[in-house]
Amino acid sequence: DAKTTQPNSMESNEEEPVHLPCNHSTISGTDYIHWYRQLPSQGPEYVIHGLTSNVNNRMASLAIAEDRKSSTLILHRATLRDAAVYYCILRETGANNLFFGTGTRLTVIP
Amino acid sequence: GAVVSQHPSWVICKSGTSVKIECRSLDFQATTMFWYRQFPKQSLMLMATSNEGSKATYEQGVEKDKFLINHASLTLSTLTVTSAHPEDSSFYICSARRGRETQYFGPGTRLLVL
Repeated sequence: DAKTTQPNSMESNEEEPVHLPCNHSTISGTDYIHWYRQLPSQGPEYVIHGLTSNVNNRMASLAIAEDRKSSTLILHRATLRDAAVYYCILRETGANNLFFGTGTRLTVIP
Repeated sequence: GAVVSQHPSWVICKSGTSVKIECRSLDFQATTMFWYRQFPKQSLMLMATSNEGSKATYEQGVEKDKFLINHASLTLSTLTVTSAHPEDSSFYICSARRGRETQYFGPGTRLLVL
């Protein structure tokens, strides 16, 4: 599985947008970019995924660089409930599982 | 999103006993289920992958005789930690997927072995 690199931690003020970066310079053409988040003492929660085009859903937006070597998860208005560890994961089409890196711990400041 | 449940949510047991954890996909049929383990302050580590009706595939370093996985139906997988010891204390998380679709995770089971 191609490797992803994320900052260990980030902080955001409540009600402000948050941009969580992820580098994946060795991504292959068939790798989907997945984002999950894990709140304390809970299992990971699916956030969003994409292949080439930017994606939007009710939770977040995913901006994918044109060369696909990086992506950014965008939370439009951070709330205290968004405080979690965010994982950026690459998964090849048809591949069986997800391998988790260390993720970014997001702290939301009231 | 799809719902995956786990039972129990936490368990405390004595060293040497066996513990069974259930994972259910509540609103979809899961062709593939996964078991992960997470130690404090660490990321999730994949233990094994199972397809319904087949034997599980274990990751390197995971003892198949110690962590018994059964995936008898499209909505249920079980993980049995046999002869549990304190070093097996961890947060165990299952995950389920239908075909090539998104993978959904259960809430986790915290195991404490005394």
